[in-house]
Amino acid sequence: AQSVTQLGSHVSVSEGALVLLRCNYSSSVPPYLFWYVQYPNQGLQLLLKYTSAATLVKGINGFEAEFKKSETSFHLTKPSAHMSDAAEYFCAVSDRGSARQLTFGSGTQLTVLP
Amino acid sequence: DADVTQTPRNRITKTGKRIMLECSQTKGHDRMYWYRQDPGLGLRLIYYSFDVKDINKGEISDGYSVSRQAQAKFSLSLESAIPNQTALYFCATSDPSSSITDTQYFGPGTRLTVL
Repeated sequence: AQSVTQLGSHVSVSEGALVLLRCNYSSSVPPYLFWYVQYPNQGLQLLLKYTSAATLVKGINGFEAEFKKSETSFHLTKPSAHMSDAAEYFCAVSDRGSARQLTFGSGTQLTVLP
Repeated sequence: DADVTQTPRNRITKTGKRIMLECSQTKGHDRMYWYRQDPGLGLRLIYYSFDVKDINKGEISDGYSVSRQAQAKFSLSLESAIPNQTALYFCATSDPSSSITDTQYFGPGTRLTVL
């Protein structure tokens, strides 16, 4: 069975500061990994995904994530936070079988302080 | 127009009532999903469908049923709603044959309150 753990249900950063949202996964096979963002009163939107190509994945809005197999991690970063980054962020893992179901983490609410 | 739409967007109902949530998509995707979101629990899969004739239970299917009326439509029903089914419900689609394999596209959600 696969699972995802997001450390920190709430993260606050100042505008212009580094954003680091943590995600660790558990999977019996090499997984696909995703970060989704949910803005207030909206559905989830894909930020980026890892599918075994480059381990450093660049996404939209200046976000990137690095797949580290040895640490079973897929942390999301952005060098400089913007007020518009305030949202809830979900890490998700998918197996490589035919079902390809997504298993989501519990989410991290990012607050950006002026 | 949105690619994945959900109706209604908000619904308040009473315990014991039957309720249906509807999802429509214009993306032409074969795969559709229903999730519920609860604070602190992330999204959990209720049902998923790979095509009109292929429907599968997800992690938390008890108390729910679904109908795939067409490739573009996937409905979720609560036969007898109970308060702990109060949640935010999302529909999603995906197209495994595309170059963006496994990416799921989400609707805007339906907020359901069961009193």
